[in-house]
Amino acid sequence: DAGITQSPRHKVTETGTPVTLRCHQTENHRYMYWYRQDPGHGLRLIHYSYGVKDTDKGEVSDGYSVSRSKTEDFLLTLESATSSQTSVYFCAISGGPARNPYTEAFFGQGTRLTVV
Amino acid sequence: AQSVTQLGSHVSVSEGALVLLRCNYSSSVPPYLFWYVQYPNQGLQLLLKYTTGATLVKGINGFEAEFKKSETSFHLTKPSAHMSDAAEYFCAVRSMGLSFGAGTTVTVRA
Repeated sequence: DAGITQSPRHKVTETGTPVTLRCHQTENHRYMYWYRQDPGHGLRLIHYSYGVKDTDKGEVSDGYSVSRSKTEDFLLTLESATSSQTSVYFCAISGGPARNPYTEAFFGQGTRLTVV
Repeated sequence: AQSVTQLGSHVSVSEGALVLLRCNYSSSVPPYLFWYVQYPNQGLQLLLKYTTGATLVKGINGFEAEFKKSETSFHLTKPSAHMSDAAEYFCAVRSMGLSFGAGTTVTVRA
């Protein structure tokens, strides 16, 4: 699994509470991504990072924030969870030793988040 | 902007029959194209990729795909389906991150 660990793997939370998902990599890839997967939509990019403390928004970033204080960790925070954020969240990494952003991405196992 | 359209959200094939999954893309730059497979409750696994060079790309598990620039297509095929091919398949084009199609679920009938 390309050395990617997502935690937690499952979480149920209440509307309005903050939630943080963690992605940890051991591969020293430069680029890290957070996606959400919903039926009929495939995977949609939430936020991505191109280096420590360098992040940018994806296509569905509203309601989410991210932080990357170390190469190996990328955190996704839902400041105030809503039912529309019930989804499966995937972390991905790319770039590899050559730092090429256009290589394939490797995915974690996913976090299933339910907001009730 | 790059985008991907997968034709058909569900495909059902008989074991031993041809698997054909269709993918069309739009890209303002020469595309890098990918097919991923997802088994239930798992992450995505790379099947194959096209970056440059040969337009017929071979991947894992007997799959292959052909890049056709004139048709802006990158269809995935496998000559003979196996029960283990039942999964969801995603076509993607490289942008910052990957832009994914909506996915095609493949079921294989015995």
